[in-house]
Amino acid sequence: SYVLTQTPSVSVAPGETATVTCGGDNIGSKSVHWYQQRPGQAPVLVIFYDRDRPSGIPERFTGSNSGDTATLTISRVEAGDEADYYCQVWDDVSDHYVFGAGTKVTVL
Amino acid sequence: EVLLVESGGGLGQPGGSLRLSCAASGYTFINYVMGWVRQAPGRGLEWVSSITGSGTDTHYAESVKGRFTISRDNSKNTVILQMSSLRTEDSAVYYCVKDSGYCGGDCYLPDAFDLWGRGTMVSV
Repeated sequence: SYVLTQTPSVSVAPGETATVTCGGDNIGSKSVHWYQQRPGQAPVLVIFYDRDRPSGIPERFTGSNSGDTATLTISRVEAGDEADYYCQVWDDVSDHYVFGAGTKVTVL
Repeated sequence: EVLLVESGGGLGQPGGSLRLSCAASGYTFINYVMGWVRQAPGRGLEWVSSITGSGTDTHYAESVKGRFTISRDNSKNTVILQMSSLRTEDSAVYYCVKDSGYCGGDCYLPDAFDLWGRGTMVSV
């Protein structure tokens, strides 16, 4: 089945930029979605279709997708951005939704 | 308000059964694929199952196929996950999710999950 690979953790100082990557075989040909999960809470969709933001998500959250890597970029990081971030695609071969293992973003 | 509320979690016995329910409100329920995603303690997200708007087409992760059954009652805006032959590895928080794609009837075009419930804990 299709595998998504995420770096387990990323640390960033407030005000700096956090980059979260999601690797997969030719992932650029798929639509990638990103979720933020704060401690003790349900996940929230922050990016869909590679780069679109749902209403209410700050413009500081941007996404891109090309080749074998999709990227979630969080600019001007704030303490409230500290969370686990998951990428997700739909694998049409297995007919399954697939999640990455998640990246823990720590704000120093 | 657009909302998903799960119920029915709790303690189950290995080999036993549990039934989870999800009540949806605030949108036209029949027009969207619904599903379940679970998260074992300290672990990541795992898709479990999905069902089309009409309820005629269902999909399952390999880990639960043949043991879990998803269904929906469009007259009550409710999704059900019937869990049987429970295993210890089924212990997790189970989230009810709504697919973002406007796709009623038998349509199945998986997209992002744009609405999540707060989750219900299942312990086996």
